[in-house]
Amino acid sequence: RKEVEQDPGPFNVPEGATVAFNCTYSNSASQSFFWYRQDCRKEPKLLMSVYSSGNEDGRFTAQLNRASQYISLLIRDSKLSDSATYLCVVTGTYKYIFGTGTRLKVLA
Amino acid sequence: DAGVIQSPRHEVTEMGQEVTLRCKPISGHNSLFWYRQTMMRGLELLIYFNNNVPIDDSGMPEDRFSAKMPNASFSTLKIQPSEPRDSAVYFCASSPSGRAYEQYFGPGTRLTVT
Repeated sequence: RKEVEQDPGPFNVPEGATVAFNCTYSNSASQSFFWYRQDCRKEPKLLMSVYSSGNEDGRFTAQLNRASQYISLLIRDSKLSDSATYLCVVTGTYKYIFGTGTRLKVLA
Repeated sequence: DAGVIQSPRHEVTEMGQEVTLRCKPISGHNSLFWYRQTMMRGLELLIYFNNNVPIDDSGMPEDRFSAKMPNASFSTLKIQPSEPRDSAVYFCASSPSGRAYEQYFGPGTRLTVT
């Protein structure tokens, strides 16, 4: 089993839709969690942190479920500019493990 | 402000040749990371430096790969000899003190080994 798993997608959604991705992790001792965004042929960029209590930033909401060992990212009112690959990151001591990403396409 | 700088942006080389990738982290950042990204394996951490000292190199695939950080503003990743399976995009990232999760990636070096 991979340490961090994501559905590769693509998720094709119309503008204005709400879409959610999950990311599961295998190491229950994992300490911190993040979402990064990567545009085609570009570098990854930090999108947001994932806190135990949940984290909201505008149209984006990230949540952590330690019992089931997954994190989620919810995007409301999708924009064309949200089209990208979303990578989850799970960290432990000196370990930064990226998922392979979920590709999102927002359609006009 | 300048971000993370990597060079070259593209490298095409023949199997068996030595390849050196270069990275200049963001000034003031004390952590530096080298990653490799492929379609099959995604983004893999190769090595992590903190204050110029290698902390975790367990991701380095084999002895053909080596990385150095002689000072706070420069790091290299060397592959010798290169093989076709090394073809990938290699990213360098840096992060500020105490915030290793907040990584700023360079534009990457796209390596093709023929």
